[in-house]
Amino acid sequence: QVQLQQWGAGLLKPSETLSLTCAVYGGSFSGYFWSWVRQPPGKGLEWIGEINHRGTTNYNPSLKSRVTISVDTTKKWFSLKLNSVTAADTAVYYCAINPGGEMAGWGQGTLVTVSS
Amino acid sequence: EIVLTQSPDTLSLSPGERATLSCRASQSVSRNYLAWYQQTPGQAPRLLIYGASSRATGIPDRFSGSGSGTDFTLTISRLEPVDFAVYYCQQYGTSSITFGQGTRLEIK
Repeated sequence: QVQLQQWGAGLLKPSETLSLTCAVYGGSFSGYFWSWVRQPPGKGLEWIGEINHRGTTNYNPSLKSRVTISVDTTKKWFSLKLNSVTAADTAVYYCAINPGGEMAGWGQGTLVTVSS
Repeated sequence: EIVLTQSPDTLSLSPGERATLSCRASQSVSRNYLAWYQQTPGQAPRLLIYGASSRATGIPDRFSGSGSGTDFTLTISRLEPVDFAVYYCQQYGTSSITFGQGTRLEIK
């Protein structure tokens, strides 16, 4: 069974770059897409984007200009970078495995707070 | 982008009752690629249903999904105390995945 472990900085200042990484343990790394999803405090879920082991990406159009998702197949990691953050980017960020588009497994979540 | 609208926003029911949650899409969801998730406070979402009607591994059979095209339903046949949570639908029929705004299922 695949397990996801994520990490990254939890406190940023406006205009800085958010950087998170998710490690995949157990199961296959290829053959799936791997997603990032975020959830502002008290609000709903927002898909950020996804990547597969070949580096093929899809992004949420509303975030596309600021987002980069990358993959390291040797380490079985995938990473999220979101630049020029503002307070509106404050959220719990999750990584997830999507075998067919559905999010079948999730990381533990990382609260990222943007504050001056 | 496909917009998903869930109804109602909040549903108040008692344990043992039947819950019916709705998810309506702004356009037809390709191949009924529609999933449902349950989220409890402080936890990551949990996949319940994918492909509109297939239960995910380990999900009790009191949870069922139905629907096609633009109208989808999650039914919980007999509510247990652990079922009171927030539920989200998600479509993955396009390369731009979207979620509904959520339905809060609360104890009456």
